[in-house]
Amino acid sequence: GAVVSQHPSRVICKSGTSVKIECRSLDFQATTMFWYRQFPKQSLMLMATSNEGSKATYEQGVEKDKFLINHASLTLSTLTVTSAHPEDSSFYICSARDRGGVLQAFFGQGTRLTVV
Amino acid sequence: AQTVTQSQPEMSVQEAETVTLSCTYDTSESNYYLFWYKQPPSRQMILVIRQEAYKQQNATENRFSVNFQKAAKSFSLKISDSQLGDTAMYFCAFSMEYGNKLVFGAGTILRVKS
Repeated sequence: GAVVSQHPSRVICKSGTSVKIECRSLDFQATTMFWYRQFPKQSLMLMATSNEGSKATYEQGVEKDKFLINHASLTLSTLTVTSAHPEDSSFYICSARDRGGVLQAFFGQGTRLTVV
Repeated sequence: AQTVTQSQPEMSVQEAETVTLSCTYDTSESNYYLFWYKQPPSRQMILVIRQEAYKQQNATENRFSVNFQKAAKSFSLKISDSQLGDTAMYFCAFSMEYGNKLVFGAGTILRVKS
């Protein structure tokens, strides 16, 4: 199956700083990537849809100025949590849609963000 | 908007036994896709099985099978011959097309006991 690599897997940052999370499709081109957030023992909630070369589409209630998404190439999307606060601590997961024949979304391994 | 409901927060099963996880959903669309994902302690999301709404035949993948009842908007997952490695959180999910954004249920924690 196709591989999606998410980096870093764990990150701890100080309150008020920004942190960037990368999502890469390693062996396929992904015109669309999705960013989800998962609180402990809860479900995944879609934050935004990232389209290569255009602005991301954010779900209702997600602050676009706080969660900056960039999808500059067909293999890379980034999520930057700006001015992070402890309430932003969560598990962030990306998935990438193969624009080829499979048309299946593949998930990265996730990033655990802890803001102290 | 579509919603997915999983009413069983936790379930347990003995090794080699069969267990069924429940899922209901709500949509006004006639064509859509349903999925079961497994999230083990590593938290990597793993696709278990998928079903296209236009197909009447229930999907099967080895020990995993679904009971898809379109009229009732029900999509349950049956795991046969449960193995210790099946211990995980299981999510039911809905999408309007393959590879598109997913709406997830709350999840069911499944524990397989030896």
